[in-house]
Order: sequence, then C-alpha cells, then structure tokens
Amino acid sequence: QVQLVESGGGLVKPGGSLRLSCAASGFTFTDYYMSWVRQAPGKGLEWVSYISASGNTIYYADSVKGRFTISRDNARNSLFLQMNSLRAEDTALYYCARAGIASRHYFDYWGHGTLVTVSS
Amino acid sequence: QSALTQPASVSGSPGQSITISCTGTSSDVGAFNYVSWYQQHPGKAPRLMIFDVSNRPSGVSNRFSGSQSGNTASLTISGLQAEDEANYYCSSYTSGSTVIFGGGTKLTVL
Repeated sequence: QVQLVESGGGLVKPGGSLRLSCAASGFTFTDYYMSWVRQAPGKGLEWVSYISASGNTIYYADSVKGRFTISRDNARNSLFLQMNSLRAEDTALYYCARAGIASRHYFDYWGHGTLVTVSS
Repeated sequence: QSALTQPASVSGSPGQSITISCTGTSSDVGAFNYVSWYQQHPGKAPRLMIFDVSNRPSGVSNRFSGSQSGNTASLTISGLQAEDEANYYCSSYTSGSTVIFGGGTKLTVL
C-alpha cells in the first residue's frame, strides 16, 4: 500500500535552516509528481511546492520562493524540502503528498506530516 | 495569490444534503476543470474526496459529488452522516502553474 513518511521537522530559530525528508513506498515513485503542503496550527492548507517525476519541473508558492528548495532522489524513493531563512510564519505541519497519476494539481495520498516550529 | 473563498462553516442534520461553495477567479477555478476537494478530520491528514471537478476516487462514497460553474465550484454531500463532520478544503490549479487551496469549511452535523 502507498506510504509516505515525513521526517526532519523540529524547533529552529528565525533565520535558520531545516531539511525535510519524505520516504515513499508502495508505488512506482518515478511515475508521479510530488508536493509539499503545509498547515499552520489551527489554520487551513497551503500548497508549498511540487516537483515532476523527473525533477525537471518545479514550482513554488510565492510565500516560499527563493527560500525553499524541493528535490527528489528517485533511486532512494525520497522527496526533500530544504528550508532556509525560516520565519515564524513558516511554523506548520508539513505534509508530503503524491499527485494523482498524470497530474500535478491534486493529491491522492498524504503522509502524516512533520512539525516545523520557528521560534527564538 | 489569495486563497479560494469558502464559507467558514455549514451545518445540516443527518439525512439532509449540504453544499459547500468554492469561489476563485478566471485565473484558477474558471480557467481549468482542475478543482479538487479534501476532507480533514481533526488531527488527521487530508483525504481526497473529489478531483477534476466531479470525479470520485475509488473508495469515496457516491454521497459526495462535485460541480463547477464559471469561477465557482461546489461540493455536495447528500444523506449526511455523523462521520461527515469534518473540515473541507477545495483546491485548484492556476494559470501560473501553481496550486491554491480554499480557506476551509467546517461542516457540523447537527
């Protein structure tokens, strides 16, 4: 069965960096776009970024552009999010999500999330 | 880009039908047939309920249906059940090749 397991969250000071990972299993990783979606405490969902199956196509939300970098390692069935220059407003539960087959715009499987807290 | 607009809350009694609206612009909802809907129970990950306006993934009850007219999409839940009580989010692909979510709607089953 499809499994997405995020890791790497934690407490970091404003201006700091963190790298999130998502281990995927139960499907052919190289067939799918992958995304990061976040949810601030008590708030709604916010799309962060997606990456194509090959890694050649990448898009970011304006709120993270220039600070976050998405990447993937298809040999290790893994997705990453490098987060730099972190701000308090980046505090959220970060979900790894698989896009539907042949799509990039909807997410049919989600992990349980990893919590990132940005605070001094 | 601003979030898609959803009502903050809706409610209905068991067995009734409710509709949640999701309003965007001609650059997102109105530009494509790429609206999806997610259900999220407290403390849980979101679950895909509808994709591409009106398609249900395998395993989703046919009590859930989606539609779209212009810049507004809608999710209808018929035969409300207690387990439908949750937060619901719409999302859409945009002309900027990004994805945007709605602010979410809390559904209360009375």
